[in-house]
Amino acid sequence: ETGVTQTPRHLVMGMTNKKSLKCEQHLGHNAMYWYKQSAKKPLELMFVYNFKEQTENNSVPSRFSPECPNSSHLFLHLHTLQPEDSALYLCASSQRQGVNTEAFFGQGTRLTVV
Amino acid sequence: AQSVSQHNHHVILSEAASLELGCNYSYGGTVNLFWYVQYPGQHLQLLLKYFSGDPLVKGIKGFEAEFIKSKFSFNLRKPSVQWSDTAEYFCAVGGPNFGNEKLTFGTGTRLTIIP
Repeated sequence: ETGVTQTPRHLVMGMTNKKSLKCEQHLGHNAMYWYKQSAKKPLELMFVYNFKEQTENNSVPSRFSPECPNSSHLFLHLHTLQPEDSALYLCASSQRQGVNTEAFFGQGTRLTVV
Repeated sequence: AQSVSQHNHHVILSEAASLELGCNYSYGGTVNLFWYVQYPGQHLQLLLKYFSGDPLVKGIKGFEAEFIKSKFSFNLRKPSVQWSDTAEYFCAVGGPNFGNEKLTFGTGTRLTIIP
């Protein structure tokens, strides 16, 4: 158990659906992240939040919409996705920006877009 | 922008063999270096990290890595692997100037240990 919990673990959605991924951390961290893990590609950083404020959007299409209501929760709202968006979506957290510490990852949500 | 190269995509070893996985990065400034491991069906977890000091760092489960600044490398080693080491291994680079929110990962190396 990492202290970072993601739900659901698996999600299959159609291209016209709207769904949300949820991430919760119990580590007292102030920074949270969304990463995308596709086969044979490096993990891609999507979004970063520090103290609930978005500090990084790595050119992610608008069909992905993050939300961070507090430092412990992070959501990724999905709408009108494409089949190429199928991937493992990982949430991570760490102490605040600039501190030398590692990121802690959740188990991920395996997303399949049909 | 920084980048990370892991040249070995899939490594197959027998139990008790020695392991070395390569990791090279490109960034001219001060870096923090990490190795993460992902066991089948499990989350990414930290194996070891380098921030400063002794360039030979020891991690969990008998793993170690050596930071060689002149070679921009941070290779992972283990003298004798076990079947339970079967997993995917990711090298990552961060830095005090850009922190962990811009960790750059390599493509990963899948390690298969044959009993």
